[in-house]
Amino acid sequence: ETGVTQTPRHLVMGMTNKKSLKCEQHLGHNAMYWYKQSAKKPLELMFVYSLEERVENNSVPSRFSPECPNSSHLFLHLHTLQPEDSALYLCASSQEEGRVYGYTFGSGTRLTVV
Amino acid sequence: QKEVEQNSGPLSVPEGAIASLNCTYSDRGSQSFFWYRQYSGKSPELIMFIYSNGDKEDGRFTAQLNKASQYVSLLIRDSQPSDSATYLCAVYIYSSASKIIFGSGTRLSIRP
Repeated sequence: ETGVTQTPRHLVMGMTNKKSLKCEQHLGHNAMYWYKQSAKKPLELMFVYSLEERVENNSVPSRFSPECPNSSHLFLHLHTLQPEDSALYLCASSQEEGRVYGYTFGSGTRLTVV
Repeated sequence: QKEVEQNSGPLSVPEGAIASLNCTYSDRGSQSFFWYRQYSGKSPELIMFIYSNGDKEDGRFTAQLNKASQYVSLLIRDSQPSDSATYLCAVYIYSSASKIIFGSGTRLSIRP
């Protein structure tokens, strides 16, 4: 375990479903991130939260809605997804924007949209 | 030009040899440099970080940084089949939106 826990590990959902991905970090970090990684593609940064405030939203469709209630928890709410949204969703956290020790990633949620 | 560039590979290296992975970056303001290893279907794992010009060694891994050439590399000595993975180069850029930029990764295959 890295200190960043993601649940669920696997999720299959229909295009009309609503689900949420959860991330919790136990490292005392003050920034959290959502990344998407499609098969054989590079990491795509989706959202950045620093001190619980969203500081970056990389043109992500509104069917993805992040929530950061405190510095230890991060959610990604999903609704009316498309099959092309199937991917590995990774949560990461850092201290001081990752300048010294980089980002610590969770194990990811493998999402399949059917 | 991409901010962090890596050759996608695959790079095939015989077991026991030295694997050399390279990365270039475009922003001269870059301050910190990281190498992550990612096994297929798994999340990235930090294996090395370097801040200053020169070499940094940790076990079989050596990171090399040349800020003048905007170049960072990772050497893996005595390569093992378990080293087969995708290696991501990542660069911390200090700016109005300071963050880490990841390269697209180099796939390394160690052949027995």
